[in-house]
Amino acid sequence: TQLLEQSPQFLSIQEGENLTVYCNSSSVFSSLQWYRQEPGEGPVLLVTVVTGGEVKKLKRLTFQFGDARKDSSLHITAAQTGDTGLYLCAAQNTGTASKLTFGTGTRLQVTL
Amino acid sequence: DTAVSQTPKYLVTQMGNDKSIKCEQNLGHDTMYWYKQDSKKFLKIMFSYNNKELIINETVPNRFSPKSPDKAHLNLHINSLELGDSAVYFCASSRPNSPLHFGNGTRLTVT
Repeated sequence: TQLLEQSPQFLSIQEGENLTVYCNSSSVFSSLQWYRQEPGEGPVLLVTVVTGGEVKKLKRLTFQFGDARKDSSLHITAAQTGDTGLYLCAAQNTGTASKLTFGTGTRLQVTL
Repeated sequence: DTAVSQTPKYLVTQMGNDKSIKCEQNLGHDTMYWYKQDSKKFLKIMFSYNNKELIINETVPNRFSPKSPDKAHLNLHINSLELGDSAVYFCASSRPNSPLHFGNGTRLTVT
């Protein structure tokens, strides 16, 4: 079973700061997704990256897929309290179309 | 509203009981899933159904039995509940090779 390690596990920062969350594995993936989960709710998709080296931006969030398609990062610029939540990466391999493996998660707390 | 909805949201029960969680999606997706999220927030797949057919069963005890009466519904029945079954259970659905749409979870507490 492939393991997706996220770091850091926990992150507490103040509004306006920048941060980066990492998602690493020894396996190669066909695609990688990032989700955000808020308390009492299910994870919600933020972005999907497919091509090695791909960079996608979603407002203040920048997602990058590693060149070798084994890792990914999520960078948040000028964090806001509304960014608070659990960030999960999830990977899919070719041939396991219905199996999405989730990372260990990063809990982000943004305070005023 | 188009969504994945699961009931109940909270379930508190005693060891040894049998309970069911229901899930319905009106997104027209062919594939549905059950995931378990433990106290450390780790999400692990339990089952996946494609058009009412079981395609993934991830070493889940046979006390857990999914049932899909049609492709819009995937229910989870759990027999002889144990303390270790306490977790949040998420239903999800998707199109092939596409991101998942999750329900809001069922928090199961076994006492």
